[in-house]
Order: sequence, then structure tokens, then C-alpha cells
Amino acid sequence: KQEVTQIPAALSVPEGENLVLNCSFTDSAIYNLQWFRQDPGKGLTSLLLIQSSQREQTSGRLNASLDKSSGRSTLYIAASQPGDSATYLCAVNADRGSTLGRLYFGRGTQLTVWP
Amino acid sequence: SAVISQKPSRDICQRGTSLTIQCQVDSQVTMMFWYRQQPGQSLTLIATANQGSEATYESGFVIDKFPISRPNLTFSTLTVSNMSPEDSSIYLCSVGQGSETQYFGPGTRLLVL
Repeated sequence: KQEVTQIPAALSVPEGENLVLNCSFTDSAIYNLQWFRQDPGKGLTSLLLIQSSQREQTSGRLNASLDKSSGRSTLYIAASQPGDSATYLCAVNADRGSTLGRLYFGRGTQLTVWP
Repeated sequence: SAVISQKPSRDICQRGTSLTIQCQVDSQVTMMFWYRQQPGQSLTLIATANQGSEATYESGFVIDKFPISRPNLTFSTLTVSNMSPEDSSIYLCSVGQGSETQYFGPGTRLLVL
């Protein structure tokens, strides 16, 4: 069974810092990996999707990398802002024998960026 | 992309009652997923709902407790039956075409007293 782990569980930083959030997964047979943001009391917002054949994806100040063979992904946030404060979730899409589209989630990294 | 709405957005229910959550998508999709997020936890898949067939449930979830309907390609319901305080969670539906981006609804926040 696929297991997803995120480190750290929580992170508190001053505004302007560059951040790295880590995600690892146990089974490298994935179709893709997706990073989400969840604000308190809200649903999930998709940030970046990396297909298994890709190494990284970028969107604005966000950059996500994928090393499928080692079962690792990182989300890099440049020049953090208070508005980045949220929980960041990593999810992998399917594994051996699973339904395509079925996501396995990590427990998330709760990020606080203070002014 | 897909825009997903859920009803109700939140509810407070009494033990032993049932609540039906609706999920509406703005486009036709083959598969819909129902997840649960218990307080302080990450998301756990309850079941996969395909139009025209029975839902497929994950280990630990059963149809009697979480019956699902999927009458067409844009709509699904999840019922939480005979509720107990342990069912207090956020329930989210999601859609995604195969290996593409998965989109989530805003969630239904359920508190069972």
C-alpha cells in the first residue's frame, strides 16, 4: 500500500524566506504527484502537478521537483509571504493495482509566515 | 479545469441520524471520489463512484454506513448513516480525468453531537 510522508509537520518562518517542503512515498509506481494548498476551513486548491516522466514544474514563486526512483518530491517556495500561510498537502496518483485518479495523501505541512 | 460545489457546506447533526451530502460538477466526468478528513488528519479515500455502476469502497468503509449514488456524469451523493461523534469530519468530493489534475470541492464540515 502506498504511504506518503511529509516533513516537516509544521514550519514557522519570517516573511521573505525561501522554503523547502518535503514529501516521500513508498511505491515509485505512480502516475503523477500533486501539491495542494488547504486554507483553514476550506477545500483543496491544486498548486502543481508533476507527471511521472517529468522532473519539475514551476508556477510563479513555486517550484516542485520529483525524483520518482527515490520516492521523493520537494516544494520550493521563494520569497515567502504571509499569504502563503496554509497547510500544504502532497498526494500521489495511483499505484500498482489502484484506480487511476485515486490519490494517496500525506498529512501535510502547516506553514505560518509572519510579517 | 472543473468547478465543484457541495451541499451542505456544514452541518451539526445528532447521533443516530443520517446526512446526505451532494456534489455537483460543472462538466461531465467519469469518476468521482469521496474523501474524509478527520480533525488533524489528512485525507482518506472513502469510495470511488462511477456512473452506472456500484461504488467501490476502500478498506474500512462499507456501503451500509456510506451509501453513494451516482445518477449521472455530473452529480453524486454520499450519505453518512447512523452517525456517531467519530463521523465528525470534513467530507470532500473530487474529480479528475485519469492522470490529470484532481479537483476538489469546498468540503462539507460535519459535527455530530
